[in-house]
Amino acid sequence: EAQVTQNPRYLITVTGKKLTVTCSQNMNHEYMSWYRQDPGLGLRQIYYSMNVEVTDKGDVPEGYKVSRKEKRNFPLILESPSPNQTSLYFCASSFGAGGPPDTQYFGPGTRLTVL
Amino acid sequence: GQQVMQIPQYQHVQEGEDFTTYCNSSTTLSNIQWYKQRPGGHPVFLIQLVKSGEVKKQKRLTFQFGEAKKNSSLHITATQTTDVGTYFCAGPINTGNQFYFGTGTSLTVIP
Repeated sequence: EAQVTQNPRYLITVTGKKLTVTCSQNMNHEYMSWYRQDPGLGLRQIYYSMNVEVTDKGDVPEGYKVSRKEKRNFPLILESPSPNQTSLYFCASSFGAGGPPDTQYFGPGTRLTVL
Repeated sequence: GQQVMQIPQYQHVQEGEDFTTYCNSSTTLSNIQWYKQRPGGHPVFLIQLVKSGEVKKQKRLTFQFGEAKKNSSLHITATQTTDVGTYFCAGPINTGNQFYFGTGTSLTVIP
């Protein structure tokens, strides 16, 4: 089954404790992206990747890191989480083909709370 | 910075009534996509429009892309309870690969 998976689905942590949210897709998509969703703000792009070893900042990259060592995986790293990073996070993938994404397929989401 | 606004933020309708959400971007978009997110779920792709002035229909849903490629609308005819959710417009600006989502319109359908 074609899908995007994220783990964990729910996470409660404390300020400053490094964490990683994993994202994996099995559709051989080139374009992958991380978004955060906050009430009234829609989804905001954090980072995106056009292909392996190619990553770029989105609209709200501060406090986040990503890597794209393999085509299927695109982990999101919070080196020192802060309470303002409490949010719902979505990973998405798309064919892209060297340009902006067309149809994006979303993972189920990760609900992160930073105390 | 780039902004994509949607109005209204919330809409409550009686089942059978029509519904429209409007999307406005501060800069030209190379294409516009629409997504639906059910409560507790993830966004699901509905459609993509690419050409200026394009209109597409999916059963009771009609999508339009403005002539200037800076605005779009989604119209649902005769809403049903299955239409409940938040509708987002989204797209890349004309010159890049970064992707922007609208602020969303939450639709409630009262049976």
